[in-house]
Formats: sequence, structure tokens, C-alpha cells
Amino acid sequence: DAEITQSPRHKITETGRQVTLACHQTWNHNNMFWYRQDLGHGLRLIHYSYGVHDTNKGEVSDGYSVSRSNTEDLPLTLESAASSQTSVYFCASSQDRTSYEQYFGPGTRLTVT
Amino acid sequence: DQQVKQNSPSLSVQEGRISILNCDYTNSMFDYFLWYKKYPAEGPTFLISISSIKDKNEDGRFTVFLNKSAKHLSLHIVPSQPGDSAVYFCAASSPRTGANNLFFGTGTRLTVIP
Repeated sequence: DAEITQSPRHKITETGRQVTLACHQTWNHNNMFWYRQDLGHGLRLIHYSYGVHDTNKGEVSDGYSVSRSNTEDLPLTLESAASSQTSVYFCASSQDRTSYEQYFGPGTRLTVT
Repeated sequence: DQQVKQNSPSLSVQEGRISILNCDYTNSMFDYFLWYKKYPAEGPTFLISISSIKDKNEDGRFTVFLNKSAKHLSLHIVPSQPGDSAVYFCAASSPRTGANNLFFGTGTRLTVIP
């Protein structure tokens, strides 16, 4: 069955370190997204991609970067982790630009100490 | 500024009764709305959606109602079951930002009491 996976599921890191969260989907979807979920804010869009070599900034992109070298993967990098980036991160995918429905991964809980 | 609001953080309902989850939005350009359900330690899963050209969409026990003049939508679950206990997020999209740019509410935790 097609799926979307994230790794690691839990991560603790120190302030200032670079961290990369992995996202892999086997839906063969063109679009991929990264969200963060925080109390009082719901899910907020960090970055998204409409296809290979395409990336776009979302609502809360500062301090994060993504790259899309193939259809299946969209890794999220925190260049210099800050305590404000402690959150639960969700990756999602959708078939194309006209698709409203997004399929979410199980999430990565990141703690920055 | 939160464009999609779920003002009730939690809701408890007896099994077999109706659950009504509410969502308000401020952006009149939103034209498509979705509800997602989330269990602990899992990602959100799509539940039901509605286009702004409709005022009701039904799928089994789940019905979403849209009141455009009030900028309000609601999700009705009838009858409620213990397995429905989860956090429910509403989300909205506008033509300007595209189908893929979803704005999410803060979620409502539903507890169905057996």
C-alpha cells in the first residue's frame, strides 16, 4: 500500500545544531508539504513543493529549508535549531495542484534544548 | 492572525448522541473546506469536505454544513461512537492561494463517552 513516512519519530537536539527531518512518500504525488503543529496555532505551513526542483515558502518558513531532488522525498532542514522550533512536524502530500485532500505522515516530535 | 477558528478546544458527548463541532472563518475568499481527524501519535486523516457552492455534504455518519453568510461551518457526527474520539481540525482554501495552501484551525478534541 502507498504511504508517507517520516523519520525520526522523535528527536532531541541542542540549540544551534543543524537538523534534518526526512519525509518519504510512495503515492507518486507531485506535491509535498511540511507543517508544524503547536498549541493554539493548529497546523501551519512551512514549505511546499509542486514537483522535483520546485520549492516554495509557506507561512512560517524562517529558519527552515527544503530541497526536492526526486518525487518521493522532501527533507526539512533546520539550519540552526532554536528553542522556538520545538514542535511536532508533519509532512503531507497531494496528487497535484488541483487536489485539496492531503495525506499526512505520522509526524516527528522535535525538542530543541 | 488566525483565519480559521475553532473556539471550542474540547467537547464531550455520550455514545449514540450527536456531536457538533464548529468552525468559523474570516476570509470571505475561502471556497473549499475540509475536516481532518487526528488520533494521538498519528498524522491527520481526511474526513469530509465541502465546496462553497454547496451548503451541505453528507458521508455516512458525518455531515458538514456550510453557512457562507455567517462564515461558519459545522461537522455533525450521528450517532457518535467511542472510536470517534480524536482531535478534529477544520481547514480552508482560497482560489488566490490555491488548492494546496490550506489554513487550519486549532482543533477540537472530541471525547465520546461509552
